[in-house]
Amino acid sequence: EIVMTQSPATLSVSPGERATLSCRASQSVTTNLAWYQQKPGQAPRLLISGASTRATGIPARFSGSGSVTEFTLTISSLQSEDFAVYYCQQYNNWPLTFGGGTKVEIK
Amino acid sequence: EVQLLESGGGLVQPGGSLRLSCAGSGFTFSNYAMGWVRQAPGKGLEWVSAIVDNGGSANYADFVRGRFTISRDNSRNTLYLQMNSLRVEDTAVYYCAKRTAVAWGHFDYWGQGSLVTVSS
Repeated sequence: EIVMTQSPATLSVSPGERATLSCRASQSVTTNLAWYQQKPGQAPRLLISGASTRATGIPARFSGSGSVTEFTLTISSLQSEDFAVYYCQQYNNWPLTFGGGTKVEIK
Repeated sequence: EVQLLESGGGLVQPGGSLRLSCAGSGFTFSNYAMGWVRQAPGKGLEWVSAIVDNGGSANYADFVRGRFTISRDNSRNTLYLQMNSLRVEDTAVYYCAKRTAVAWGHFDYWGQGSLVTVSS
């Protein structure tokens, strides 16, 4: 099983600042990596797939990078609606696995 | 507009059974793999099972293999999860999600979830 490790667990950021979230895979997933955003009481929403491709309707302030085992989600200028939990997920191998999540909170 | 609507959740005793359903609309249901992902209260996301477009192949997480069965009825645009021998630790919100290809891919659309509570 590929273990996905996200860091930090919690990120305190002021509105307008940049947020950088990390995701590490225990073995190569090439670029078969997705990022999801989840707000309280809501279903997850796809942000990024293929490590760097924004999903339809996702603002340009969200960007993804990385390959193999190291991945980054960057939010260039945090808006109030971006405070949420973010999960990475690999879909390269069975079983599909998610990271433990990074909570982005208001500083 | 893609919509996924889960139903069938509820309270069940340990050892009991429950069947979840997920009705898909706004896309050609038979052209896509589908899956179930769960989230225990206050915890992260956990993949449960996935099935290919024609229902001919399925995969399961180790913790549900032998107890849960995923299936689909493409004539009804509906995905199912039959859950048997339920345990307290299966308590979670269960999300139905659409994958991006016939047999592979990430999850691009999610339902709102169905709460399953296993308790005596």
